[in-house]
Amino acid sequence: GAGVSQSPSNKVTEKGKDVELRCDPISGHTALYWYRQSLGQGLEFLIYFQGNSAPDKSGLPSDRFSAERTGGSVSTLTIQRTQQEDSAVYLCASSQTGVGNQPQHFGDGTRLSIL
Amino acid sequence: DQQVKQNSPSLSVQEGRISILNCDYTNSMFDYFLWYKKYPAEGPTFLISISSIKDKNEDGRFTVFLNKSAKHLSLHIVPSQPGDSAVYFCAASAWGGSEKLVFGKGTKLTVNP
Repeated sequence: GAGVSQSPSNKVTEKGKDVELRCDPISGHTALYWYRQSLGQGLEFLIYFQGNSAPDKSGLPSDRFSAERTGGSVSTLTIQRTQQEDSAVYLCASSQTGVGNQPQHFGDGTRLSIL
Repeated sequence: DQQVKQNSPSLSVQEGRISILNCDYTNSMFDYFLWYKKYPAEGPTFLISISSIKDKNEDGRFTVFLNKSAKHLSLHIVPSQPGDSAVYFCAASAWGGSEKLVFGKGTKLTVNP
């Protein structure tokens, strides 16, 4: 497929466990974003990667959240010691250049439920 | 502080009529605006965008209008079709930096046959 791919599509885990979410951006897209959508809310920016530049981590809600992007392609978002308030849909998006006026294209998200 | 606001949580229109979805923003640094459509259990799908140097952009049945002085934009869908029923999100970004999108909370559109 040519779109943004995310896995797993659903994840249920116990409070306190670590989780890892994966994103495969559209081939050739240099910019990659993570967002999350909590129940009844709009999408909230988490982190941004552009090429080899330092990521913009300004949206990460706590130091339990981290993300990597290896080889300028696949990205993983890791949440350590999960809490119930981490339950949300985590969405990944990519865009062609990350330089103004390029729409971001989203994957279908990972629905994370913390018991 | 909500920088992008969609004040109508829901909108219901008849098939064939015009749907008008509204969005207001507060940050004067925003220069690129987008509308996304979202079906349940799917990611947002890009619909249409507009740069701050324009006041109108049209793509088929979808037209976005931007009023910079009022910090207001709207999405017009005409004619509306039942398949347009979805949640519509308005988003904005500012030039420079990460161009991260700031989203409104969405408007659920229902188009009745």
